[in-house]
Amino acid sequence: AQSVAQPEDQVNVAEGNPLTVKCTYSVSGNPYLFWYVQYPNRGLQFLLKYITGDNLVKGSYGFEAEFNKSQTSFHLKKPSALVSDSALYFCAVRFSTGTASKLTFGTGTRLQVTL
Amino acid sequence: DVKVTQSSRYLVKRTGEKVFLECVQDMDHENMFWYRQDPGLGLRLIYFSYDVKMKEKGDIPEGYSVSREKKERFSLILESASTNQTSMYLCASSFGWPTSNYGYTFGSGTRLTVV
Repeated sequence: AQSVAQPEDQVNVAEGNPLTVKCTYSVSGNPYLFWYVQYPNRGLQFLLKYITGDNLVKGSYGFEAEFNKSQTSFHLKKPSALVSDSALYFCAVRFSTGTASKLTFGTGTRLQVTL
Repeated sequence: DVKVTQSSRYLVKRTGEKVFLECVQDMDHENMFWYRQDPGLGLRLIYFSYDVKMKEKGDIPEGYSVSREKKERFSLILESASTNQTSMYLCASSFGWPTSNYGYTFGSGTRLTVV
């Protein structure tokens, strides 16, 4: 069965420093990978996706993610964190099965950026 | 701007009540989904629908039912609300395969409290 893991419940980083939010997945086929962000009392917003092609994917708000097939990882990164990046981040995976699409989400990682 | 609209942001219901959560999308998406979000558990799929009048159980369908009579509307029904159904409920929609690779669009969520 497909699954995705976010090993850190919370990540703390100082503003201006680089940030990484980790995601690993378990797959038996070709994964389609997504990152979403959730601000307080809001729904999830799409950040970026990996479908195929270049392993480094660029998304909204200066975020990027690197797909690593050998390590089955899709870590979210940003070169310089902002206080406004503080939010809950979810990694998700979908498989190219051809059936009705379903995303499986990780448990989420809370990013706290401080001055 | 494309939207997924959930009819209520906050709801308080009594144990045993029948509860309806409504979701409407204006993007002509084929797929619609209901998730619940709980701290430490991430998003868990309750039900999804890939066409009008079609539905499939997700990971945690017990105690819930759904209705999709029109393409743009997907309703989640709690037949007899219980306190363990207190949660944040998120509706999402997406295109069908293969354009479902573009991911989901989420509503803002309904925070349901059952007392």
